[in-house]
Formats: sequence, C-alpha cells, structure tokens
Amino acid sequence: ETGVTQTPRHLVMGMTNKKSLKCEQHLGHNAMYWYKQSAKKPLELMFVYNFKEQTENNSVPSRFSPECPNSSHLFLHLHTLQPEDSALYLCASSGGSEPSVDTQYFGPGTRLTVL
Amino acid sequence: GQQVMQIPQYQHVQEGEDFTTYCNSSTTLSNIQWYKQRPGGHPVFLIQLVKSGEVKKQKRLTFQFGEAKKNSSLHITATQTTDVGTYFCAGRYNFNKFYFGSGTKLNVKP
Repeated sequence: ETGVTQTPRHLVMGMTNKKSLKCEQHLGHNAMYWYKQSAKKPLELMFVYNFKEQTENNSVPSRFSPECPNSSHLFLHLHTLQPEDSALYLCASSGGSEPSVDTQYFGPGTRLTVL
Repeated sequence: GQQVMQIPQYQHVQEGEDFTTYCNSSTTLSNIQWYKQRPGGHPVFLIQLVKSGEVKKQKRLTFQFGEAKKNSSLHITATQTTDVGTYFCAGRYNFNKFYFGSGTKLNVKP
C-alpha cells in the first residue's frame, strides 16, 4: 500500500532470544528510519540512515542494533531485550519528490512482545 | 532541548462538532508535517507547511503554521466518524530529523 513493508508483523520473544526485524522500501528513497511506538512515548525516533550511513542514534540502548546494507533495506537486530521494550516498531522512508522530499512513508509495523 | 508539544492528548466529540489540535515548539521550525494514524494502523502523511503564516486546506481540514514558525494547528470542521484516529505533528529542525508531537487521539461519537 505505502511501498514500505515490514516483517514479521508480530513477534514474541524471550529476554535471551536474538531476533531481527526487517524493513524494505520500494519507493527509491534515500533515507530510512526506525521508530518505537508505545503507550508512554507515542512516536520515538530511534535511528536514521541516509544513503546507507547512520546519521542519527537517539540514545538507543545497545541491545538494539540497526543495519542498513543498502538504501532499500533496513534491519533492527534485537538481543537480550527487556519487557519494557515491548512496543510497535515502525519503519519509515523518505526522499521522494512528491509531495515533498521530507514526507515519511511508514510501514505497517512489527508488534513486539518481550516475555 | 528540541521537542514539539502537542495538546490535547485526547478529544471526544459528537459527530458534527469541530476539532482542533495544537503543536508548539520552543525554537523555530524549518517546516512542520501532520500525520494521521487510524486505530491499528500506521501514520499516514497528511500535509507539510513550510512558510510563515501558511494556511492549507484539505476538504474539512485546515492546517495553519504560525508567523514565528513555532506553532501549528489542525482544525477539522464538522467531524465525521471517519476522522477517528490519532493526529501527530512532526516538526523539522534540521535535515532528516523530525520530532513528533505526542499526538491527539480523536474519538467521534455518531
């Protein structure tokens, strides 16, 4: 629908597990973002990548590790998470010309539950 | 620090009533965007305001950007049940860095 896909859509993991979230954008954009959405902080920017280079790390704990192998793909590697990390993780991209270069297109999100 | 404050947090209206949400920044913004997130969905871009004092309309939605480029508002005239959702503003301070407001959750009673 929006050209940004995320997998998996739902994930349940234990605190000792290692998992990865995947985001792919088919819009030809050059910037990609990870956001965390929870009841406490509705939309919290985590990481920004521009042309595969990380340009923003918003004081995110090291148990979250992003990876951007190319401008179309973005991963979020998870390890030794805490229950308070349970949230909706949204990926977004920007950099098109319409309606503006700043417009962010969001994926459907991954609903993460940490037990 | 740079952040965008948004009020109110919740708004319950009767269908047909008007609705307004406000965003304020302590420092000047380059531009501001508005997004809508339906229940169970993801944020969807509505509009971007760039110029001081800019006003844009989309059917029943009116968006304003303050003269000092520090505040913005979204006004919905005669709400409908399809307007239900959370409305976020996102203020831009520098390249590719946006700060989202906390959102206003709108509930419309039929």
